[in-house]
Amino acid sequence: QVQLVESGGGVVQPGRSLRLSCAASGFLFYSYASHWVRQAPGKGLEWVAIISTDGGKRHYADSVQGRFTISRDDSKNTLYLQMNRLRAEDTAVYYCVREDWDYWGLGTLVTVSS
Amino acid sequence: QAGLTQPPSVSKDLRQTATLTCTGNNDNVGNQGAAWLQQHQGHPPKLLSYRNNYRPSGISEKFSASWSGNTASLTITGLQPEDEADYYCTAWDSSLSAWVFGGGTKLTVL
Repeated sequence: QVQLVESGGGVVQPGRSLRLSCAASGFLFYSYASHWVRQAPGKGLEWVAIISTDGGKRHYADSVQGRFTISRDDSKNTLYLQMNRLRAEDTAVYYCVREDWDYWGLGTLVTVSS
Repeated sequence: QAGLTQPPSVSKDLRQTATLTCTGNNDNVGNQGAAWLQQHQGHPPKLLSYRNNYRPSGISEKFSASWSGNTASLTITGLQPEDEADYYCTAWDSSLSAWVFGGGTKLTVL
């Protein structure tokens, strides 16, 4: 069955970096684009980034443009989100999502706090 | 990035029908419609409808989506207590080259 498992979340100080991973299984990972979506505590969903099947196209939300980088390693069936210069407002559960919104991971919590 | 507009809350009686709306513009909803997601407290969202009312396997026929102009709608018939959840719409915005979400609608079943 399709599974997406995020990892790498935790508590980090403002201005520091963190890398999230999403391990995919149960489908042909390389055939699908992938999203990162986040949800701040008690708030709605916010799209973060998307990467195309070959990694050649990447799009970002304005709120993370220039600070976050989405990437993929199809040999490892893994999606990544490199988050730099973190801010308090980046505190959220980060979800890995398959291209057509049909499969979501359980999410990993990132807390940016001093 | 401007988001899509959803009413913050909708309340309906048990067994009634609820229609949730999602309003965007010509660059997003008006272009390709919207996807609809359901989220229960403490759980990740679940896809209800995508690409002109494509409904994933396992999603009840009580959920139906439609789209006219710049407004997408999700109709839920025969409301049950388990339909109480937050509902989100999302669409690709060709002008922003970004996906945009609505703020979500909290559905209460009375």
